[in-house]
Amino acid sequence: DARVTQTPRHKVTEMGQEVTMRCQPILGHNTVFWYRQTMMQGLELLAYFRNRAPLDDSGMPKDRFSAEMPDATLATLKIQPSEPRDSAVYFCASGLVLGQVHEQYFGPGTRLTVT
Amino acid sequence: ELKVEQNPLFLSMQEGKNYTIYCNYSTTSDRLYWYRQDPGKSLESLFVLLSNGAVKQEGRLMASLDTKARLSTLHITAAVHDLSATYFCAVARRETSGSRLTFGEGTQLTVNP
Repeated sequence: DARVTQTPRHKVTEMGQEVTMRCQPILGHNTVFWYRQTMMQGLELLAYFRNRAPLDDSGMPKDRFSAEMPDATLATLKIQPSEPRDSAVYFCASGLVLGQVHEQYFGPGTRLTVT
Repeated sequence: ELKVEQNPLFLSMQEGKNYTIYCNYSTTSDRLYWYRQDPGKSLESLFVLLSNGAVKQEGRLMASLDTKARLSTLHITAAVHDLSATYFCAVARRETSGSRLTFGEGTQLTVNP
């Protein structure tokens, strides 16, 4: 049964450290999304890719966040340097766009705590 | 800017009762999604509604879409405890990339025995 996988599932780090989160989209999907979920802000789209090309990263703080897709089976979200306000659950989702129609399938999330 | 509002944000109901969650959005869209999230878990896709008047049903949940009113509803029939979760609606912007979703705040549903 095809699923989006994310690693690590939990990460605790100190302020100022670099954090890298990884996502393996469902095989054959051509879009990948990174979301952040917090109690205060809810679900926010950080970035998304189609066919590995970044289409929108306007939701991402550019000075410290970066998102890449080195190949079709791996998406990464990096925070450098991390800050306590980055503490959240980060979800990756993938989907297959056929025309304008698609669904997004979410991974289990990475729970990040920055102390 | 597309805004998506859900109400109520918190809903406590008894088993066996019916209730409706509402999702309003601010700009034209022809695709609306409903997701379920259990505490500490990921989001699970429930419904994708693609056109005006679309209605989909799965078990005790039924979702509908009125694009003219910019409104979707998620109706719960004869609620059971297992339906306790947070429900999100999400709206796709009508844009060339066609993929960006904006989520509502979520409705936290608690079904009491």
